[in-house]
Amino acid sequence: GAVVSQHPSWVICKSGTSVKIECRSLDFQATTMFWYRQFPKQSLMLMATSNEGSKATYEQGVEKDKFLINHASLTLSTLTVTSAHPEDSSFYICSATGQGVNSPLHFGNGTRLTVT
Amino acid sequence: SQQGEEDPQALSIQEGENATMNCSYKTSINNLQWYRQNSGRGLVHLILIRSNEREKHSGRLRVTLDTSKKSSSLLITASRAADTASYFCATPLYNQGGKLIFGQGTELSVKP
Repeated sequence: GAVVSQHPSWVICKSGTSVKIECRSLDFQATTMFWYRQFPKQSLMLMATSNEGSKATYEQGVEKDKFLINHASLTLSTLTVTSAHPEDSSFYICSATGQGVNSPLHFGNGTRLTVT
Repeated sequence: SQQGEEDPQALSIQEGENATMNCSYKTSINNLQWYRQNSGRGLVHLILIRSNEREKHSGRLRVTLDTSKKSSSLLITASRAADTASYFCATPLYNQGGKLIFGQGTELSVKP
């Protein structure tokens, strides 16, 4: 089945630094990838839609300058948390969709970001 | 805002019992999907039911869909300790390229 690899699985960084999270579709091409954020015991909140070769589409309330998304190829999307602060600490999950309106999403295993 | 609401928020049962989780949504849908999330991990797709289907089975999973009530249920039969996880329903937004909106989730705990 379709596999999405997300890296790193966890990262600890200091306030003010930037962190890059990678999301790769290993055995299929993903023209669209989605980035979600999840707080403990809560549901997934969609942050942005990443489109290969074009600018990402951000959900309302998500700062595009804070969360930089790049989708340079059909198999790789990256999320960079810039100038991280402790409130950015969260679980970030990427996903990619298959072809067709009735295709499920394939998720990476998530990245646990802790900003100290 | 989240598309779906799920109940119960948490469910604790004994191994061998059945677990039922419910999901309600607000808008018209092409399909409804159920996902499972083990603690600290990504989500795994369980089952997709299309808007013209009323019931679907996959192993010990049974999903129903009532579009008139805008609701769905997930039944796990003969539960096992390994079924302990959070379960989410999700619906795609119309004409938005696979974008999914998730319900609040049900945290299932199956005690051995």
